[in-house]
Amino acid sequence: EAGVTQFPSHSVIEKGQTVTLRCDPISGHDNLYWYRRVMGKEIKFLLHFVKESKQDESGMPNNRFLAERTGGTYSTLKVQPAELEDSGVYFCASSQATGSNYGYTFGSGTRLTVV
Amino acid sequence: GQSLEQPSEVTAVEGAIVQINCTYQTSGFYGLSWYQQHDGGAPTFLSYNGLDGLEETGRFSSFLSRSDSYGYLLLQELQMKDSASYFCAWGGYSTLTFGKGTMLLVSP
Repeated sequence: EAGVTQFPSHSVIEKGQTVTLRCDPISGHDNLYWYRRVMGKEIKFLLHFVKESKQDESGMPNNRFLAERTGGTYSTLKVQPAELEDSGVYFCASSQATGSNYGYTFGSGTRLTVV
Repeated sequence: GQSLEQPSEVTAVEGAIVQINCTYQTSGFYGLSWYQQHDGGAPTFLSYNGLDGLEETGRFSSFLSRSDSYGYLLLQELQMKDSASYFCAWGGYSTLTFGKGTMLLVSP
């Protein structure tokens, strides 16, 4: 089966611009998660979709971040306007069942650099 | 708050056994997971401990002691390809809280 695909793999944008990251989960996986790793820090949870609904968005840092999952398939994460501290690697993960005991399948991430 | 502590770096030689420790302070604990990440790649799920004790998967084993808030990942018969970062992660209902990761360097 195809893995979790993220696009683009790298993005360099100027402060104040908008960037949209895309994640295609494994087909049939209802659960989709966004995480990010800022340089030197831990990988941190952003939000969790079950199908098209936001199950938990407690990790979203502020209202400059908007995640959507229309139709319960792929998801987008938009940052508008981007700030310097948004630089980092954004990971998407998916799982068939809810619960960390089943393990999540992660994508390779999008490396975002805001200059 | 929730935090997990693990060593930043561990070195070992091919064929050896290495243990990566993880201590945690959390609330609402579900279980401890381990992920492997090769440089620039996707974190890959290795194991999960929901109960105290040892879980074995091939050359990798993971241990959990809830009373000690402590777990470890044991890698046996190390191979060069095991050089990677290893993350322990506390699992909630829908989220994972990660440690900062341990870089394992395997030398010939």
